[in-house]
Amino acid sequence: AQSVTQLDSQVPVFEEAPVELRCNYSSSVSVYLFWYVQYPNQGLQLLLKYLSGSTLVKGINGFEAEFNKSQTSFHLRKPSVHISDTAEYFCAVSGESSYKLIFGSGTRLLVRP
Amino acid sequence: GAVVSQHPSRVICKSGTSVKIECRSLDFQATTMFWYRQFPKKSLMLMATSNEGSKATYEQGVEKDKFLINHASLTLSTLTVTSAHPEDSSFYICSATTGTRGFNEQFFGPGTRLTVL
Repeated sequence: AQSVTQLDSQVPVFEEAPVELRCNYSSSVSVYLFWYVQYPNQGLQLLLKYLSGSTLVKGINGFEAEFNKSQTSFHLRKPSVHISDTAEYFCAVSGESSYKLIFGSGTRLLVRP
Repeated sequence: GAVVSQHPSRVICKSGTSVKIECRSLDFQATTMFWYRQFPKKSLMLMATSNEGSKATYEQGVEKDKFLINHASLTLSTLTVTSAHPEDSSFYICSATTGTRGFNEQFFGPGTRLTVL
């Protein structure tokens, strides 16, 4: 069975500082990995996804993530955050054997001025 | 492109009444739609998978008679919460996809906030 772990429930960071949101997954088969952002009282917006190929994936709003198969990780990074990046971030996994998305528990990014 | 809408965005109802939530794919035909439930400050829990013209597949622990799902066309799925109770209050989010492989992106609606008094 697949699972996703986001160890940090909240990450406070000052504006213009770099940030990394951690995501680890477990799966016995090939996986597809996703990062979504959710603003208050809204649905989810796809930031980026890893399907295959280059392990460094670039997404919208200046975010990027690196797929590390040996460490079963897919951490999200941004070199300089803005106040507007304050939101909930979800890591998710699906696989060849199942199209269902399994979500992590989410990480709240709180950007302070 | 790939826009998914939900209606209503917010609904308040009395205990015992039924509430219908619509999920529409506006600019594409969705072979599959998913319904999720999200509790405050919690992750998304998949409730059911809906395919056009067939019965929905419910996740373990989700009452199919409580949460009725109808997928009438390739652009519309509805979730009806029957005989709603306060414990059904939650944020319901749908998503739609054009394929049933793991790499097919799910496009999410904006969500519906249900409050049962």
